[in-house]
Amino acid sequence: SQKIEQNSEALNIQEGKTATLTCNYTNYSPAYLQWYRQDPGRGPVFLLLIRENEKEKRKERLKVTFDTTLKQSLFHITASQPADSATYLCAPSNFGNEKLTFGTGTRLTIIP
Amino acid sequence: EPEVTQTPSHQVTQMGQEVILRCVPISNHLYFYWYRQILGQKVEFLVSFYNNEISEKSEIFDDQFSVERPDGSNFTLKIRSTKLEDSAMYFCAFPETGGAVISYGYTFGSGTRLTVV
Repeated sequence: SQKIEQNSEALNIQEGKTATLTCNYTNYSPAYLQWYRQDPGRGPVFLLLIRENEKEKRKERLKVTFDTTLKQSLFHITASQPADSATYLCAPSNFGNEKLTFGTGTRLTIIP
Repeated sequence: EPEVTQTPSHQVTQMGQEVILRCVPISNHLYFYWYRQILGQKVEFLVSFYNNEISEKSEIFDDQFSVERPDGSNFTLKIRSTKLEDSAMYFCAFPETGGAVISYGYTFGSGTRLTVV
């Protein structure tokens, strides 16, 4: 069955540095990979989506890469700020209305 | 970002009681989903609903659960006889998509925290 792993349960990064989060998937060949942010007690918030034919996608300080050979996506936050502290979730998918299967998430803490 | 309202925000109920969780989308959607998240665990898929019918459900979504669109706009998730293990955050979600092509991911609701005692 489909398996999604995110690199570490918790990641502490110094303010101003780049945070890099990893999402690995197995037994699946998604056409898309989505990244979400979740704050405590709140629902996931969509951040970025990358398609299999895109190597890289950027949005402000966020960058996502998608390597279908490695079955991996990397999520980068540059010039990190304490407000970036949250849990980040990845979700691969194949078509627009497919249910999402989330990874376990990485809890990111940006230390001032 | 768009706001999808869920009510109540927090509900405490006794084991064995029925609960109804409500979700009000911001625009007309053909597809919607319910997810749940037990404290400290993953966001898990429960059920998808398309054109007023269940299109897919997970193993979690047993006979105690049901979904409806009672008035053409709101969506509800009913748990007939709650168990302690039903304690979780429940989220509704809508894909922001033009059909087969994904454009903008999913919009999740504000969530209902259900506590079964």
